[in-house]
Order: sequence, then C-alpha cells, then structure tokens
Amino acid sequence: GESVGLHLPTLSVQEGDNSIINCAYSNSASDYFIWYKQESGKGPQFIIDIRSNMDKRQGQRVTVLLNKTVKHLSLQIAATQPGDSAVYFCAENTGNQFYFGTGTSLTVIP
Amino acid sequence: DSGVTQTPKHLITATGQRVTLRCSPRSGDLSVYWYQQSLDQGLQFLIQYYNGEERAKGNILERFSAQQFPDLHSELNLSSLELGDSALYFCASSLTVAGNTIYFGEGSWLTVV
Repeated sequence: GESVGLHLPTLSVQEGDNSIINCAYSNSASDYFIWYKQESGKGPQFIIDIRSNMDKRQGQRVTVLLNKTVKHLSLQIAATQPGDSAVYFCAENTGNQFYFGTGTSLTVIP
Repeated sequence: DSGVTQTPKHLITATGQRVTLRCSPRSGDLSVYWYQQSLDQGLQFLIQYYNGEERAKGNILERFSAQQFPDLHSELNLSSLELGDSALYFCASSLTVAGNTIYFGEGSWLTVV
C-alpha cells in the first residue's frame, strides 16, 4: 500500500476514446478509496471516491469500479479529452492512514 | 481550487539552512497532513495533525518537525537542509481523521542548492 519508486506505467489513448486506469491495493481492511489526478507541478486533485460497501460509483465522465475479491480498483474515463492528460493514482484508506499508489501517466493524443 | 492554501509556492535555499512551509486547511477541516513528493518517489506521508494534536507519523526525518496551531493552520519546519530534501511538499486536509476525503494544496516546491 505505500508509495514506491516511480517507474510509472503509461497509457496513451486517442482523444474521444475511453480510458481505463487500474490500481491494485494491498490491504483487505481498506474501506475507502480515492482517485486523484495530478498535473505536472500541481497538487493532486480529487476525482472520485468509493467506499468498500459499493462496487461501482459514477461521476461526470468517470466511473470507479471496486473489486474487493482481488483488491483491484479501476478508473474509467469516458470520451477522453486532452485536458485529461495527467498522472492518475489511487489512494486506499486504512484506519486514519492513506496509502497512495505510484500512479499511471495518461497521455491523450489529439 | 481545493481550498487548501500553501505558502510559499517556490523556495530556493542553501544546504544547512532552515525553512518553514505554511498550510491553511479547507474551512472546517480539522485534520492536516504533510506529504513529500520527489522525482524518484511518489507521495510519502510525513505527518498528520488533528485539531492541534499529532495524530500519525510517517517517514518524517528528525530534522523535520511540524505543528498545528489553534486556528488550525499548520507549519512544516525543515532544518539542516540537504540536497536530497529538494522536493514538492504538499499539505492536505480533511474533515476528521478517518474515512474522509483528503484535499491537497498546490504544494511548496523546495530546491536546496
């Protein structure tokens, strides 16, 4: 669950396509999960969250899926736009601690 | 805009010096977190305060210290700075200590030369 050295997975998608970003979490006791978007030189920006009593949650153009059986979280971005290019990472909450994934770098090709 | 305010945005200082980074949490948030993000590592949790009291400690060096004041703003003090301390330092805040969304500020970019 803790952040590790940065060799970011990368994902390139065509503008207008859907993007799926995956995250494996480590602690089966984690009960709250957040997806963040971080643009270069900026702070992580909250996108969407989900609690462990749900398996799907939808926002505006984004959907988060939670599979507790395999400890997997995914973020789906519909109709990806150039402004979606950023690093995306998930965070899991266990007790009062958040642990962050290393992130995935999304590049949207116009 | 997350509502979390950090100052300064950029800071350049020499090795051996001491700096203070300041954070104002979102209105109503009682919990403040400090994170370090360097180029070769992701977000590293440093320390958390809740309503003025230290709540949790992460990978914070002994040269670093923090506090949260009665008005809930927080300061992170970095002393005897080394080149390796160059990083983005983020403050985040949340309503309480557990199970709430944490919102990040824009960070303070520290360069040690």
